[in-house]
Amino acid sequence: AAGVIQSPRHLIKEKRETATLKCYPIPRHDTVYWYQQGPGQDPQFLISFYEKMQSDKGSIPDRFSAQQFSDYHSELNMSSLELGDSALYFCASSLRGATNEKLFFGSGTQLSVL
Amino acid sequence: QKEVEQDPGPLSVPEGAIVSLNCTYSNSAFQYFMWYRQYSRKGPELLMYTYSSGNKEDGRFTAQVDKSSKYISLFIRDSQPSDSATYLCAMSAYTGRRALTFGSGTRLQVQP
Repeated sequence: AAGVIQSPRHLIKEKRETATLKCYPIPRHDTVYWYQQGPGQDPQFLISFYEKMQSDKGSIPDRFSAQQFSDYHSELNMSSLELGDSALYFCASSLRGATNEKLFFGSGTQLSVL
Repeated sequence: QKEVEQDPGPLSVPEGAIVSLNCTYSNSAFQYFMWYRQYSRKGPELLMYTYSSGNKEDGRFTAQVDKSSKYISLFIRDSQPSDSATYLCAMSAYTGRRALTFGSGTRLQVQP
């Protein structure tokens, strides 16, 4: 079965550069969530989208922005990168109206800021 | 203080042991409780989901919720080396399109 696809798997950037992370949800899933997991940390919710509209906002820095497109894929744009942005970024998707157990995570994008 | 507290471990047990993983929480609004398993550099994978106090069993896994004490547990029976992973508890006050609040994860190592 198709899963949540994230690209790239690994990304290395330097301070003050920009990065774009992509998430392709499971087919027919219309809701996308972004989480940030620092080394040895729990996943922290950043932002979510439902039907291309932002539905919930967590601890996302102002330097970050995200959007969901008409095919339901989502992109997380990160500017003025800082060393502390180095983390594993997860995307998760679910279907409209689904309960929490129907949330599926991708394998993440490992971002390293040097 | 974090809303969800989880002992980070690491926890090392011999193969075949019973493992107990625990989380406490402070937000009484949490109604939905999940346990995820996460292998190194992989996304969390849902193991158990429950929304009522009491026990829920699925194979070798049992999830226990005590809302009055704000305490949840995951028991793993007959633990296997393949169970070696980080286990994250997660909670939500809502179902549907709402973010989850995670614990920090417990790293489990099952020795063959």
